Amino acid sequence: DIQMTQSPPSLSASVGDRVTITCRASEFVSTFVNWYQHRPGTVPKLLIFAASSLQSGVPSRFSGGRSGTEFTLTISGLQPEDFATYYCQQSYSGPRTFGQGTRLDMK
Amino acid sequence: EVQVVESGGDLVRPGGSLRLSCEASGFTFSRYWMHWVRQAPGKGLVWVSGIDADERSIGSADSVRGRFTISRDNGKNTLYLQMDDLRLEDTAVYYCLRENRASGGNWFDPWGPGTLVTVSS
Repeated sequence: DIQMTQSPPSLSASVGDRVTITCRASEFVSTFVNWYQHRPGTVPKLLIFAASSLQSGVPSRFSGGRSGTEFTLTISGLQPEDFATYYCQQSYSGPRTFGQGTRLDMK
Repeated sequence: EVQVVESGGDLVRPGGSLRLSCEASGFTFSRYWMHWVRQAPGKGLVWVSGIDADERSIGSADSVRGRFTISRDNGKNTLYLQMDDLRLEDTAVYYCLRENRASGGNWFDPWGPGTLVTVSS
């Protein structure tokens, strides 16, 4: 099975900061990586699909990138509603594995 | 509106069984691969099982293989998860997901409200 190693596990930042979360796939996954946001008390929400495509309705401060088997989620100009847990996921083959999650909280 | 709604979650004893259902609406259910994902209290998202549009299972997580069975009824627009020999560690919110498929990626959207399964003696 393909493993997704996500880092860091947690991150503290301030409103207005730029933050980057990284996921590394254990093998080739092409662009088949997605990013989800999960705020407490709500259901997870799709942010980025196919490595870098922004889901409709998601603010443009969110962006996704890829370099080989390393994928990034960048939030440029943190807003109060962005403090949440973020997950990467691969959907290239077999089990649709998620990363361990990154908890983003306010400094 | 594209929607999935899970049901069937309950409190069950270890070793017991439960069947979860997921009713889909607003899209042609029979054309989509579907999945179950769970989240245990305080833990991350974990993929459980998936099924393709032709009702063939694409597999299950190691932790549930041999105990959980995914199925679907395309005539009823409904996805199921039969859960047998339940264990304490199966306690979680279970989500039903539609997999959107394109040439450059596959992704889960929308997310339903989930259904809570609690395994406790």
